[in-house]
Amino acid sequence: DAGVTQSPTHLIKTRGQHVTLRCSPISGHKSVSWYQQVLGQGPQFIFQYYEKEERGRGNFPDRFSARQFPNYSSELNVNALLLGDSALYLCASSFVLDSPLHFGNGTRLTVT
Amino acid sequence: TQLLEQSPQFLSIQEGENLTVYCNSSSVFSSLQWYRQEPGEGPVLLVTVVTGGEVKKLKRLTFQFGDARKDSSLHITAAQPGDTGLYLCAGGSNQGGKLIFGQGTELSVKP
Repeated sequence: DAGVTQSPTHLIKTRGQHVTLRCSPISGHKSVSWYQQVLGQGPQFIFQYYEKEERGRGNFPDRFSARQFPNYSSELNVNALLLGDSALYLCASSFVLDSPLHFGNGTRLTVT
Repeated sequence: TQLLEQSPQFLSIQEGENLTVYCNSSSVFSSLQWYRQEPGEGPVLLVTVVTGGEVKKLKRLTFQFGDARKDSSLHITAAQPGDTGLYLCAGGSNQGGKLIFGQGTELSVKP
């Protein structure tokens, strides 16, 4: 069975640009969460979606947005990129809201 | 604001040694999870503890949840080079699946 898949695996963007990161959950999982992991730190919660509705939002600016599609896949969008947005963006899926998270291998975003 | 502090941040030991990683908070968590993350990969769940005082064993790894559900520890017996990686503790809140992660413990086990 396929695990959580994220695309792209690596991305280089310039300050001020926007980026869209994509995530496909494990088949049958209805919840998707997004985390940001800066080098040397633990992941920080950005969003959680369940059945296409936002069910949680972390302490991130409005430049960050996300959505979940009818097939439960998800996109994370970041506008007006800053150097500090450089990080590993992790997507995790779970069967329902509070069941164990299964993480993808992330998208490494570098902002120059 | 709920925070989790892990110690130590870095640990370099020889194969066969024992070690303990600590995860502490001033907040109560509904559950505590431990993950291991290798370079270029996402975190992989090792264990979830939910009851104060709970102890779980996974081969050479022993996990303990504090009685007050504010802290946890991970003990590895006779560490192997394959144990090398970033160990993360994460606390579950009552807000659905949101997890609060510690900053991680980078473990290096040398043969």
